[in-house]
Amino acid sequence: GAVVSQHPSRVICKSGTSVKIECRSLDFQATTMFWYRQFPKQSLMLMATSNEGSKATYEQGVEKDKFLINHASLTLSTLTVTSAHPEDSSFYICSAHSGGASTDTQYFGPGTRLTVL
Amino acid sequence: AQSVSQHNHHVILSEAASLELGCNYSYGGTVNLFWYVQYPGQHLQLLLKYFSGDPLVKGIKGFEAEFIKSKFSFNLRKPSVQWSDTAEYFCAVSRDLLTGGGNKLTFGTGTQLKVEL
Repeated sequence: GAVVSQHPSRVICKSGTSVKIECRSLDFQATTMFWYRQFPKQSLMLMATSNEGSKATYEQGVEKDKFLINHASLTLSTLTVTSAHPEDSSFYICSAHSGGASTDTQYFGPGTRLTVL
Repeated sequence: AQSVSQHNHHVILSEAASLELGCNYSYGGTVNLFWYVQYPGQHLQLLLKYFSGDPLVKGIKGFEAEFIKSKFSFNLRKPSVQWSDTAEYFCAVSRDLLTGGGNKLTFGTGTQLKVEL
């Protein structure tokens, strides 16, 4: 149980275009999903917290107009990288929170490798 | 802001050797502690977690970790590693805010473990 999927797994796009990444919890409902970014040989950096039916909360330094997050249902959150530039190339990972405060466990998706040319 | 430190960035061991990976965090309040593992080409998986109770936590695949509050540490251990334990290991901490919707995780920089035959 507690499987999280991401689509696509890899995407290559031209500079200036927008890319949408989907994160789905396949066998549970997730009221909260998180979006992370991982640079090569570095740790995961939280970008934003996404709550179903409300606006996402962004971490300091993350541009909310560039990284649009929509959490339309309890099983789907999307991250759209708008007007992508080469510096946005990275590995984007989502996680979904399962259960209440007593469990506080996140389950991670396999990640999406974005390359902006 | 809370931070998480993993002291060993790269560890190389022979099969059957014992393993201990260090993890220290900076936040002084109540925290939840996690170890995640990322096998080559796979997504992050939860190894074990500590919320409360017995500070010695046992996880999957023979791993355990000990929470020492006075040292702000949560070191990961395994008595005898196997070649299949080759992976990257991340320590993570969340503040126990009892939000019910999942608390934000702060990750350490990760430790790359290579187990040689």
